Amino acid sequence: AQKITQTQPGMFVQEKEAVTLDCTYDTSDQSYGLFWYKQPSSGEMIFLIYQGSYDEQNATEGRYSLNFQKARKSANLVISASQLGDSAMYFCAMRDRAAGNKLTFGGGTRVLVKP
Amino acid sequence: DTAVSQTPKYLVTQMGNDKSIKCEQNLGHDTMYWYKQDSKKFLKIMFSYNNKELIINETVPNRFSPKSPDKAHLNLHINSLELGDSAVYFCASSQEVDGYTFGSGTRLTVV
Repeated sequence: AQKITQTQPGMFVQEKEAVTLDCTYDTSDQSYGLFWYKQPSSGEMIFLIYQGSYDEQNATEGRYSLNFQKARKSANLVISASQLGDSAMYFCAMRDRAAGNKLTFGGGTRVLVKP
Repeated sequence: DTAVSQTPKYLVTQMGNDKSIKCEQNLGHDTMYWYKQDSKKFLKIMFSYNNKELIINETVPNRFSPKSPDKAHLNLHINSLELGDSAVYFCASSQEVDGYTFGSGTRLTVV
């Protein structure tokens, strides 16, 4: 079974600084996909970034980048130039192709951006 | 035009009641899901349907019954509600190349 671990339950970051959110995963699949979602206090789940296991380059989407280290089974999210609106819960997730393509989520990291 | 819409957004009900949550997606996705987010924010899959066929049923009490009348709709019916059912329920849909799109969630409070 797949497992996603986010070891940082919460963290503070100064506005305009970068922050790295850790995510490690465990899977026996050769082909898999990793996702990051943001959940602000309003509750919706907002897709941020995706990394495929065979992608040779790290994914980037605006201020979001994914530091994918396949051998270490880690997929850390880097948010550059933090803004107050980045304060939210962040979830790492993995697609389980063998189980109906369900997403398995980590426990989340709460980020609070300080002005 | 909302991609994945679920109703109601909030649901407060007494123990023992039966309630339903509806979900519709207009993305043309083949697969739809129900996830439960508990009070500690942990998200866990409950059910998945692909083209109206049940694919995943994850150790959910049989008081929970999903129904998919067509591939654009996946409803969740809950019988005999218990206090522990209080949570946020998310509907989602997916297609391989598109990724996953979540609804805005339904906050269920059982009193």
